[in-house]
Amino acid sequence: GAVVSQHPSRVICKSGTSVKIECRSLDFQATTMFWYRQFPKQSLMLMATSNEGSKATYEQGVEKDKFLINHASLTLSTLTVTSAHPEDSSFYICSAVDRLKETQYFGPGTRLLVL
Amino acid sequence: AQRVTQPEKLLSVFKGAPVELKCNYSYSGSPELFWYVQYSRQRLQLLLRHISRESIKGFTADLNKGETSFHLKKPFAQEEDSAMYYCALSADNYGQNFVFGPGTRLSVLP
Repeated sequence: GAVVSQHPSRVICKSGTSVKIECRSLDFQATTMFWYRQFPKQSLMLMATSNEGSKATYEQGVEKDKFLINHASLTLSTLTVTSAHPEDSSFYICSAVDRLKETQYFGPGTRLLVL
Repeated sequence: AQRVTQPEKLLSVFKGAPVELKCNYSYSGSPELFWYVQYSRQRLQLLLRHISRESIKGFTADLNKGETSFHLKKPFAQEEDSAMYYCALSADNYGQNFVFGPGTRLSVLP
């Protein structure tokens, strides 16, 4: 079946550094990918919609200059957390839409810990 | 604004008992409703969606527009059903405004 991968699966970084998370659709083309954030014991929160070849659409309250999204190809979207701070520590999940199958597939998530 | 509520954070049932995971939504238009499941240490998976009217792993869900509900049901729970279940709403057919509920953890006891 369709698979979405994320890299890295886990990252620890120092406060002030930037971290890039990759989301790839492995056997289908995804013109649309989504980035979610999951806080402990809370639901997934949609951060932004990533559209191939155009600017991402951010949800209200999400800083676009802090969470940079690039959807450079039909199989890759990247989320860069710039100048990370401890409060950015979270679980980030991406999903990709296979429009032919009208199905959304989730990546395994990336756990970010900012010290 | 779209909103999805799941009133139960935790639901425990015995094996073989019926289970119902509640989901209510608020949306002024015609939404698409989904149930996603996350087993321990695994990724989120689509369980079912109302437009397909499928029964997956014995689970069914009926969209009740009058009550704005999309409850997930299974007549006989199995231990392997223990997982986190998320109800979700899409107002734009996988476009924007994709909203998840807070999730219900189902624990099926032996």
